[in-house]
Amino acid sequence: GDSVTQMEGPVTLSEEAFLTINCTYTATGYPSLFWYVQYPGEGLQLLLKATKADDKGSNKGFEATYRKETTSFHLEKGSVQVSDSAVYFCAVSGNTPLVFGKGTRLSVIA
Amino acid sequence: DSGVTQTPKHLITATGQRVTLRCSPRSGDLSVYWYQQSLDQGLQFLIQYYNGEERAKGNILERFSAQQFPDLHSELNLSSLELGDSALYFCASSRGDGTEQYFGPGTRLTVT
Repeated sequence: GDSVTQMEGPVTLSEEAFLTINCTYTATGYPSLFWYVQYPGEGLQLLLKATKADDKGSNKGFEATYRKETTSFHLEKGSVQVSDSAVYFCAVSGNTPLVFGKGTRLSVIA
Repeated sequence: DSGVTQTPKHLITATGQRVTLRCSPRSGDLSVYWYQQSLDQGLQFLIQYYNGEERAKGNILERFSAQQFPDLHSELNLSSLELGDSALYFCASSRGDGTEQYFGPGTRLTVT
């Protein structure tokens, strides 16, 4: 079945540092790819998505590019803020409902 | 605010009991999904309903059941509760089948 592997955390960065969270997937067909974010005490929020190869999803300074050749969807942000501290989940939607990675906890310190 | 509502926000109950969690999807969304989030298991997909019909099943225990009503709200029933059922239970909804999902704030279940 579909699966997602994302880098384990926690990841701790200083404010204004560059962020990369790696995500690779396996899925049949032509899956859509998503990044969700979960702030402390809240539900998951859709951060960005890409529905076909080479698409770039972007939102709030975060970006991820759908790379079919490497089956990857890495999340990047050029300059993180303390308010970005949260858990980030990569997800794939192929022939099944969303399959999530285990999540990566990001802590940004001032 | 995603537009998905869940009640109750918190639930504390004893082992062996039965509880019902409720979810109202975003206006216009036909699909409802239930997830369990725990520290050791991560985010686990339980079940999906689409326009009143069961569409997909994940790691849902036989002690758990769900349904989606004609007004599209959904309920997740958990019975014969065990300590290990303590978790956050999320509901999500989507327009169709396989499109992006919008999550509710969750119900935190504590079984004592």
